[in-house]
Amino acid sequence: GQNIDQPTEMTATEGAIVQINCTYQTSGFNGLFWYQQHAGEAPTFLSYNVLDGLEEKGRFSSFLSRSKGYSYLLLKELQMKDSASYLCAVRVSNSGNTPLVFGKGTRLSVIA
Amino acid sequence: DTAVSQTPKYLVTQMGNDKSIKCEQNLGHDTMYWYKQDSKKFLKIMFSYNNKELIINETVPNRFSPKSPDKAHLNLHINSLELGDSAVYFCASSQDLWTFSNEQYFGPGTRLTVT
Repeated sequence: GQNIDQPTEMTATEGAIVQINCTYQTSGFNGLFWYQQHAGEAPTFLSYNVLDGLEEKGRFSSFLSRSKGYSYLLLKELQMKDSASYLCAVRVSNSGNTPLVFGKGTRLSVIA
Repeated sequence: DTAVSQTPKYLVTQMGNDKSIKCEQNLGHDTMYWYKQDSKKFLKIMFSYNNKELIINETVPNRFSPKSPDKAHLNLHINSLELGDSAVYFCASSQDLWTFSNEQYFGPGTRLTVT
């Protein structure tokens, strides 16, 4: 089976840094995605990692360690608009297909 | 210009009815998907189509039948609706099925409520 774990909720202060962790145990690994989803809206793509290491994109960075089955999303200089759910998703291998399997998401609340 | 669009945005219906949700993408992508997001916000793949051909059919009741008339459209028909079908259904698309780094673009979602 596929297992992707993230904390359910986190709270952080405006201007601070927050790290959202994701651990996975999946059948096959073809990369890990992070998506952002504001309440009542569609998920939007943030990052993709397939090799170990850190990928930086503006205020957002994503890290992957394949040997540990671990990733994190780092958000710097938090803004109120960063309040959203953050979804970790792994592209797995399943009977010749490679679907995207999502974790249950981490709901981040940014407070003043 | 809307990249991935879905209609309707809201759908309220009674148990036992049959309903359809339509999806269109204008990105020129080859691959389209249907996802279900339940009340706990868990997003799960239902189907994927590549160039009108069904590729993935996860463990979904056969009351759900997708149809792709062309690669820009993927519709979802649901027969004999049940209370447990209440959820938000997202359509998505990606450039192709086999480039693993391809991000998926999601439509705005259809909130289905079965009473």
